[in-house]
Amino acid sequence: DTGVSQDPRHKITKRGQNVTFRCDPISEHNRLYWYRQTLGQGPEFLTYFQNEAQLEKSRLLSDRFSAERPKGSFSTLEIQRTEQGDSAMYLCASSLEGDGYTFGSGTRLTVV
Amino acid sequence: GENVEQHPSTLSVQEGDSAVIKCTYSDSASNYFPWYKQELGKRPQLIIDIRSNVGEKKDQRIAVTLNKTAKHFSLHITETQPEDSAVYFCAASWGGGGNKLTFGTGTQLKVEL
Repeated sequence: DTGVSQDPRHKITKRGQNVTFRCDPISEHNRLYWYRQTLGQGPEFLTYFQNEAQLEKSRLLSDRFSAERPKGSFSTLEIQRTEQGDSAMYLCASSLEGDGYTFGSGTRLTVV
Repeated sequence: GENVEQHPSTLSVQEGDSAVIKCTYSDSASNYFPWYKQELGKRPQLIIDIRSNVGEKKDQRIAVTLNKTAKHFSLHITETQPEDSAVYFCAASWGGGGNKLTFGTGTQLKVEL
């Protein structure tokens, strides 16, 4: 296991299109997190899972964002009807309950 | 919700000097405070963390101190080296780790030769 993997690394999409990102956590980690990071800012929480259950979702997250973690393994984050304001780095992280995070390398989304 | 403030936003030191970055948090229920280092274009990496049952933790040239009464914590890097140059983020959460983290806005540390 080489860490948290995210795919794709970069995504350019036209405004209004839907995009989906994938995250593969460290296999023994039961918690999985999605964060968004814009230039010059710290990561901003989006949502997290314990196994397959989505435990919390940010109030800042619009209905255009949805995340799943079927079978408690990999996770997907979908953004529908993308807007230019969605342009950011989307970071996934995983951990064991009570431990620190390991982040993936992120997916950089550019909406044109 | 939790709010984390971080200072300074930029910090320039000479190689071999010490660097200190400070953070304050608002939620007294927070009990886990990690620090992450992020190099340009790379993922944030956990460098040290502290839980509220201790006041200080050290790992080689890096140390973190926590003052629960004042609700602030600090990162100390001694004998700085050029490879310490990066953005450093503090964060806070409750539940002892493995929960939602609220991050500070980051400190750009530059270590000059």
